[in-house]
Amino acid sequence: DTGVSQNPRHKITKRGQNVTFRCDPISEHNRLYWYRQTLGQGPEFLTYFQNEAQLEKSRLLSDRFSAERPKGSFSTLEIQRTEQGDSAMYLCASSGPGQGMHLNTEAFFGQGTRLTVV
Amino acid sequence: KNQVEQSPQSLIILEGKNCTLQCNYTVSPFSNLRWYKQDTGRGPVSLTIMTFSENTKSNGRYTATLDADTKQSSLHITASQLSDSASYICVVTVYNQGGKLIFGQGTELSVKP
Repeated sequence: DTGVSQNPRHKITKRGQNVTFRCDPISEHNRLYWYRQTLGQGPEFLTYFQNEAQLEKSRLLSDRFSAERPKGSFSTLEIQRTEQGDSAMYLCASSGPGQGMHLNTEAFFGQGTRLTVV
Repeated sequence: KNQVEQSPQSLIILEGKNCTLQCNYTVSPFSNLRWYKQDTGRGPVSLTIMTFSENTKSNGRYTATLDADTKQSSLHITASQLSDSASYICVVTVYNQGGKLIFGQGTELSVKP
């Protein structure tokens, strides 16, 4: 399978617990994105990596959220002290280097990790 | 503020009929516009991508149009099938911001037999 892989697919956790999600992008892609999607809404941007550098973080990414991409390959998204409002689908996407600044290469998404905080 | 708005919010059509989904955006500077199909509980899958110089692009029964002057796009689905039932999301890429994608809320399409 050469697509974007996310693990786990589903996670149920108690409020206050920490959770960590993993994303394995398409191997030659240098850009990696995290999005959060709640029911009936479009995905919302969380953060973005180019290689191992985290270039942008949304204001949605509170201090309880942290993302890493230590070797420029896979990425992890950790949520500390989870709250019920964190329940959502967490999507990861990757894209290739692109040509020039228009970056017309496709962004491919993983299947997402569905988080339920009870 | 960079925004993408889609209409209608939801749509029900009969199998075999055509439909058109709308997308208006205020993203600036603009790089490209994509339409994604998202099945329930799955990640979005790209249908089309267009730059500002492209007016139309087809992918099988899906045809997307783009008017960069009015900042509007549409996705036309021909001869709908039951498998077309999904959420269709319009996404605009911001120029020179590393490929940052601005998502619309999506149009929930339901195709009935």
